[in-house]
Amino acid sequence: SQTIHQWPATLVQPVGSPLSLECTVEGTSNPNLYWYRQAAGRGLQLLFYSVGIGQISSEVPQNLSASRPQDRQFILSSKKLLLSDSGFYLCAWKQGYNTYEQYFGPGTRLTVT
Amino acid sequence: GENVEQHPSTLSVQEGDSAVIKCTYSDSASNYFPWYKQELGKRPQLIIDIRSNVGEKKDQRIAVTLNKTAKHFSLHITETQPEDSAVYFCAARRNQAGTALIFGKGTTLSVSS
Repeated sequence: SQTIHQWPATLVQPVGSPLSLECTVEGTSNPNLYWYRQAAGRGLQLLFYSVGIGQISSEVPQNLSASRPQDRQFILSSKKLLLSDSGFYLCAWKQGYNTYEQYFGPGTRLTVT
Repeated sequence: GENVEQHPSTLSVQEGDSAVIKCTYSDSASNYFPWYKQELGKRPQLIIDIRSNVGEKKDQRIAVTLNKTAKHFSLHITETQPEDSAVYFCAARRNQAGTALIFGKGTTLSVSS
């Protein structure tokens, strides 16, 4: 069966520091991968998605970037964090093109101080 | 791009009552409409979904209806229980390469006993 992992689970970082969040999927190949952000008490904002290695689509211009160095690995990065980057970061996956269901990882709770 | 509106933002019901959450979408080409339940501090969980080739789908106490002409879909929960208390999100997507789920802003459902 498929499993999605995210780490770290929680992170406290000062303003201006860099960020790297990692997401990996097991038990599948060539998944579609997604990064969403959920601010406290708010909805799910799509940040990036990827349909393959090195293929990244950005939905919202901001100080974040994403990379997909391997088929089942998706990384969210920032060079300098802002206070407004605080939130719950959720990675999600879907099995390729001909499937519909999308599943979320356990999330990383980021607090920027 | 797709835009999903969700109402109401909060909903309080008594145990045993029914609850209805409504969403509208803007992209007439969208053909997949899932619903997610998110408990406090947890990841969103897929609870039911519907594709554009059907008008209604039911799974025990939950059901989803879709009106393609009006571009709206609804979640119906019958015989609500305290454990149904959570935030519910609707979403929409075209199921084609290079697309992602776009979510509504969520409905906080509170079921009191």
